[in-house]
Amino acid sequence: KAGVTQTPRYLIKTRGQQVTLSCSPISGHRSVSWYQQTPGQGLQFLFEYFSETQRNKGNFPGRFSGRQFSNSRSEMNVSTLELGDSALYLCASSLERLSEQFFGPGTRLTVL
Amino acid sequence: QQQVKQSPQSLIVQKGGISIINCAYENTAFDYFPWYQQFPGKGPALLIAIRPDVSEKKEGRFTISFNKSAKQFSLHIMDSQPGDSATYFCAASSGTGANNLFFGTGTRLTVIP
Repeated sequence: KAGVTQTPRYLIKTRGQQVTLSCSPISGHRSVSWYQQTPGQGLQFLFEYFSETQRNKGNFPGRFSGRQFSNSRSEMNVSTLELGDSALYLCASSLERLSEQFFGPGTRLTVL
Repeated sequence: QQQVKQSPQSLIVQKGGISIINCAYENTAFDYFPWYQQFPGKGPALLIAIRPDVSEKKEGRFTISFNKSAKQFSLHIMDSQPGDSATYFCAASSGTGANNLFFGTGTRLTVIP
């Protein structure tokens, strides 16, 4: 069974731009969570989607948003990029809510 | 506020030795404690997980020890191998409707041949 896939793998943007990252969960998995990983703050939860609804949100500004489609694929969007948004953005999928989470390889975002 | 505290930050172990990584938490609502292994350029991979109804879980060379009263849990890697060199993260989550994992700050393990 294929793992979690994330596209693109690498992205370079400039301040003020916006970006959309994509995540395809493991087949049959219905829950998708997003995390931000930085050297300074570590791994931090962004939000979780299940059945196309945001179920939980971490402590991030409104510039960070996401959505989930009927096939469980998810996208996250960051508007008005700041230098501090440079990070590895990880997507994790789980079969149901509260079950084991499996991570994708991440999208490395660099903001210049 | 770090919900899960992890130590040490880095660890160097000889091949064949035992690697021990410790984590502590405060939130008594946490009821799921996974460990993840991350190699450079990769996403975290689930290694082993435990729930508070057991005090120990072993899978191959990896063992989680859990002390509910002390609110601590640890990962033991027996017979450590150079291929185990990676960053290890402990995490915790609550089963009360939230699916988000709270991660420790990570331990960079280096196993010397």
